[in-house]
Amino acid sequence: DAGVIQSPRHEVTEMGQEVTLRCKPISGHNSLFWYRQTMMRGLELLIYFNNNVPIDDSGMPEDRFSAKMPNASFSTLKIQPSEPRDSAVYFCASSDMWTANMNTEAFFGQGTRLTVV
Amino acid sequence: AQSVTQPDIHITVSEGASLELRCNYSYGATPYLFWYVQSPGQGLQLLLKYFSGDTLVQGIKGFEAEFKRSQSSFNLRKPSVHWSDAAEYFCAVGSYNTDKLIFGTGTRLQVFP
Repeated sequence: DAGVIQSPRHEVTEMGQEVTLRCKPISGHNSLFWYRQTMMRGLELLIYFNNNVPIDDSGMPEDRFSAKMPNASFSTLKIQPSEPRDSAVYFCASSDMWTANMNTEAFFGQGTRLTVV
Repeated sequence: AQSVTQPDIHITVSEGASLELRCNYSYGATPYLFWYVQSPGQGLQLLLKYFSGDTLVQGIKGFEAEFKRSQSSFNLRKPSVHWSDAAEYFCAVGSYNTDKLIFGTGTRLQVFP
């Protein structure tokens, strides 16, 4: 397996534009996580899905952020409209569910570095 | 609620010296504990994990960690640090009854020759 694949690796956009980040989890994994990494806040969990269903989105900063997982092999994180303070590295990770396989681990993608100017 | 504290933001050690990175967690149920490493510009790679059993766990790259329930700690250790160990290290906590995985703020390790 190629691991968790995120695209794009880098995104530069102007304030007010819509940004869509994409993630392909590892095949067979049924948990998917979106994290945001900044110098100030470290790694923040934004949302996670089990079996394509959003379980906890309490970390999503505000209504400008939305995430979807239409099927087991694809997820998106959308920011509309984007603002400069959204600039960060966004990571996607996937794993088995602990409740199904307690010996699992989360595998991370390479991240998307987002810059909003 | 789950939380993880890494009290040391930045640690500097000499190559060959021993290393201990601290991690304290807060969770009411039995925790699953992880250490990840992140090299500059890269994603996170798992070093080791603890679910149950032996409280001293061995990981990759010569790292080990010890789970101490009485202290709510899961400190990462390495007896002799190499220059290639310079990176950021993250402690994380999960649990059997939730798939939420929460990370600490990280400790940046700098290694001097």
